Parts: sequence; C-alpha cells; structure tokens
Amino acid sequence: DSGVTQTPKHLITATGQRVTLRCSPRSGDLSVYWYQQSLDQGLQFLIQYYNGEERAKGNILERFSAQQFPDLHSELNLSSLELGDSALYFCASSPREGLLGELFFGEGSRLTVL
Amino acid sequence: GENVEQHPSTLSVQEGDSAVIKCTYSDSASNYFPWYKQELGKRPQLIIDIRSNVGEKKDQRIAVTLNKTAKHFSLHITETQPEDSAVYFCAASTAGGSQGNLIFGKGTKLSVKP
Repeated sequence: DSGVTQTPKHLITATGQRVTLRCSPRSGDLSVYWYQQSLDQGLQFLIQYYNGEERAKGNILERFSAQQFPDLHSELNLSSLELGDSALYFCASSPREGLLGELFFGEGSRLTVL
Repeated sequence: GENVEQHPSTLSVQEGDSAVIKCTYSDSASNYFPWYKQELGKRPQLIIDIRSNVGEKKDQRIAVTLNKTAKHFSLHITETQPEDSAVYFCAASTAGGSQGNLIFGKGTKLSVKP
C-alpha cells in the first residue's frame, strides 16, 4: 500500500460526459501528479500541483482540468469525453516540490468511455 | 521538452539469464533517472534510481548505468527470476525547482521463462 488513495477504481461512462477522479496523497506529501496510462502510450504526464498551486503541465488536453484543495487532495476533471480518453489514470505524490526521490503511485482509476 | 526513448518494447529471457533495457533522453538538463516496475494490474513502483553525479548504482540483482555524454542509461537485471516478469519504465526528470516532473519511456514488457 503506497498510502495514495484514488477513487473511483473503475468508471464507465458515455462519450460527451464529464467525470471527476479523486486523489488523496500520502500523509505529509505536498506534491500531487496526474498521469494517464494508455495501452500504446505508456505513462503520460498530465499535470503537477504543489501545496495547492499548479507547478508543471504536460500533455493535458484543454478538456481536462485539475486542482489541489487546501487539504491537499486533488481532483482531475475530464469533460466532453471521447473514446480515446479511455485509460488508466494514476495519481502520485511526493513530499517535495521537485523530484528528488520516489513518486508514490495510487492504484489508479480505470476510465472506460463507451 | 524532455523526450525519453526506451528499447526494447518486449524482452523474453530464460530464468537465470540477464536482462538489459536501454533508454535515451533528449534534455541535457535532466539529472534524475528512476526505473519503475509495474506488475500486471498494479501500480508502478520505484525499483532503483540514479542521479547525474553518479555513473552506476547497484542494488542486489539490479543495476543502473548512466552515460551523460551520450544521454543514455540502462537497467541491468542479473539472475532473472519469474517474479521479475513485469513492465519496466525508465524516466528522466529535471529534478528540483518548480518544474520537477517525470517523463517516462513507453515501457519494456519483460517475460522470464522458467
């Protein structure tokens, strides 16, 4: 158990819909990262937050947004869903702003868009 | 931005043989290079990492080598065992500061045959 909690574990929805994925980082970790894992694309970095502020952005679509709340949990919002958004979405946390050590991954949220 | 290439995409070895996975990166400013192992249906977990001031690091049967001049790094697993079967991801990062994020390779599926 990494200490990172993600909900829901599985989600099935239709094209055009909107979903919210939730992540609670390890106790004490201030940085939260979101990654998308598709079958042929490996782990794609989406976005990083540190102590409530956005710190780095990767290949995140405009239809996607995220935020980190004062209690440090984070949410990833995916809207106008397309079939290609079907993937495993991982949240990870680390204690620091920069990466000087291990990223602790949650178990992931598997999104299926039909 | 950073780009990480990983080879091979699949690797099959006999139990007891060695396995080598290679990665190249594009950003000469990258200075942190971790390797993650992802078992089927599980979250990625850090197995070893190396920083740019070190050329080699070993941990029991696992070793990582780094050539900063050539911008490539490799994972070496000796005396492979069936439980080493998994997908291995290399990654590179400009650790530290406010831009720390990991850019992953596309993964290598390692199969160790008993």
